[in-house]
Amino acid sequence: QKEVEQNSGPLSVPEGAIASLNCTYSDRGSQSFFWYRQYSGKSPELIMFIYSNGDKEDGRFTAQLNKASQYVSLLIRDSQPSDSATYLCAVNNQAGTALIFGKGTTLSVSS
Amino acid sequence: GEEVAQTPKHLVRGEGQKAKLYCAPIKGHSYVFWYQQVLKNEFKFLISFQNENVFDETGMPKERFSAKCLPNSPCSLEIQATKLEDSAVYFCASSQLKGNTEAFFGQGTRLTVV
Repeated sequence: QKEVEQNSGPLSVPEGAIASLNCTYSDRGSQSFFWYRQYSGKSPELIMFIYSNGDKEDGRFTAQLNKASQYVSLLIRDSQPSDSATYLCAVNNQAGTALIFGKGTTLSVSS
Repeated sequence: GEEVAQTPKHLVRGEGQKAKLYCAPIKGHSYVFWYQQVLKNEFKFLISFQNENVFDETGMPKERFSAKCLPNSPCSLEIQATKLEDSAVYFCASSQLKGNTEAFFGQGTRLTVV
């Protein structure tokens, strides 16, 4: 099975700082990339998706994709304590039949 | 419905018993995906469906696990002869389009095998 790699963290940032979450993937045929947020004991919630190289911004969130480097990242500006959660990077396989998840990065935002 | 509905929320089974989990996708979504999450963060893909047809079953264990999506019925995931290592949260997700465009997750079923 193709791999999706994330640093498990924890990543600790102070309130108001920028949190940077990174992800690499192995399937060069992947076309769709997703960031999910999962609070403890809850289901994953989709926060961003990106299909094209470059940046995509939505409020305080920016997703960045570099297909040549097989790298996708998520920036969270003005981090809030409520952003503290596990962030899961997910990549669809080339056939589009499955989403492959990384192990997630735990983010802790301190007030 | 407007959300993916999974039942039951919790399921406890003795080793060797059968477990059956259900998932009703969002109305109008043609694709259903099952995932197993063990130890909080490791999401393992099990199987996907396009309507009632198996789309991808490369993640399904060859023995004991089976799944169906029949017309006008919730999708189901069945585990025969459960083992301790089957203890996990099983998530179902659905999406409207191929490629997992905006896949939405249900609340999960926590299976505990004792």
